[in-house]
Amino acid sequence: SQQGEEDPQALSIQEGENATMNCSYKTSINNLQWYRQNSGRGLVHLILIRSNEREKHSGRLRVTLDTSKKSSSLLITASRAADTASYFCATDLSNDMRFGAGTRLTVKP
Amino acid sequence: GAVVSQHPSWVICKSGTSVKIECRSLDFQATTMFWYRQFPKQSLMLMATSNEGSKATYEQGVEKDKFLINHASLTLSTLTVTSAHPEDSSFYICSAVSGTSGREQFFGPGTRLTVL
Repeated sequence: SQQGEEDPQALSIQEGENATMNCSYKTSINNLQWYRQNSGRGLVHLILIRSNEREKHSGRLRVTLDTSKKSSSLLITASRAADTASYFCATDLSNDMRFGAGTRLTVKP
Repeated sequence: GAVVSQHPSWVICKSGTSVKIECRSLDFQATTMFWYRQFPKQSLMLMATSNEGSKATYEQGVEKDKFLINHASLTLSTLTVTSAHPEDSSFYICSAVSGTSGREQFFGPGTRLTVL
């Protein structure tokens, strides 16, 4: 079953703008992961943030985690058309992974 | 929502034996299923893409002769770990794609394999 809930379900922006996606979850976690999926392809791991971390950066990606609110956000800065994809968060508790339904991001050139 | 099941949920086997894991889409047809593997405290790693009626596409570094994938119907894909060794012990998770657009993906609960 799925635990994480991404918000929004779909997001459309212009190239160069920032994109923010949110994820909420229900139970305690060891870590939270963000994945990207291009249409019809498998998931690609983007970033993992542990429960004792609050923020993590990787290139144009910035992930925050608020365990008190059981929420996380993924920020993509200076978006590009190639960033168009679905983005999933996944919560991990002792290797029991639960995925959200994903946010469909469209970046218009 | 759409449900994907995996069987078994966990399995313990001896080294050298083969183990089959099933992934089923219970209430929808899935032309594409994905198989992932996750080692402890690591992220999910894509192993292969399984398309109904055709050969699976394996990711680089994944041995196709060791991890046999069969997608014989629109609701069932199987992963067989042949001649399993302790280093194959891992958490295996599948996902199924619903719809012709390939946008909706649903994940199974995973199978924990322990090879002694």
